[in-house]
Amino acid sequence: GIQVEQSPPDLILQEGANSTLRCNFSDSVNNLQWFHQNPWGQLINLFYIPSGTKQNGRLSATTVATERYSLLYISSSQTTDSGVYFCAVAIIMDSNYQLIWGAGTKLIIKP
Amino acid sequence: EAQVTQNPRYLITVTGKKLTVTCSQNMNHEYMSWYRQDPGLGLRQIYYSMNVEVTDKGDVPEGYKVSRKEKRNFPLILESPSPNQTSLYFCASSLWGNTEAFFGQGTRLTVV
Repeated sequence: GIQVEQSPPDLILQEGANSTLRCNFSDSVNNLQWFHQNPWGQLINLFYIPSGTKQNGRLSATTVATERYSLLYISSSQTTDSGVYFCAVAIIMDSNYQLIWGAGTKLIIKP
Repeated sequence: EAQVTQNPRYLITVTGKKLTVTCSQNMNHEYMSWYRQDPGLGLRQIYYSMNVEVTDKGDVPEGYKVSRKEKRNFPLILESPSPNQTSLYFCASSLWGNTEAFFGQGTRLTVV
């Protein structure tokens, strides 16, 4: 089956730093989403980005579907950015659209 | 506000006592699904529904039931909960299966 790999697994930064999170996937996908799971466990939609580049405030994402990767950029990090960042790709499996998840990048922003 | 609402957020129950976790979406989405999240195992799909009265098993359906009598609601039923069903549960909905998925706030279930 399709593999989704995220890197790095852990990242510790000082407030104000920039970071780049990567998501590689092993096969063609129907779409790709980035989520932030906050310390209370909530999954927050960041980007729905099957291809191209999107920006939302300090966050931006780029997906290059032909090369099977996506990048999430966080600029001027704040402590509220802490949590786990997941990418998930959608595939069709046995007539079901399934989300296949990466293992996540755990981000800690220190004040 | 467009949202997926799960209830309850937290639940502690005893082995064998039937429970239902409710899920409701106000976006008129066709596709809904349930996931559980466990440390080291990530998010795994339990059941999904492509439309009213159409449900099917995901990767880990054992011990769970669902129903889809109305488009907006997709409850998760544990007929006889066991400790191995202690987990963080998420309901999700999307317009179609491969469009943007929106998640509920999560339900943290503990079965003792």
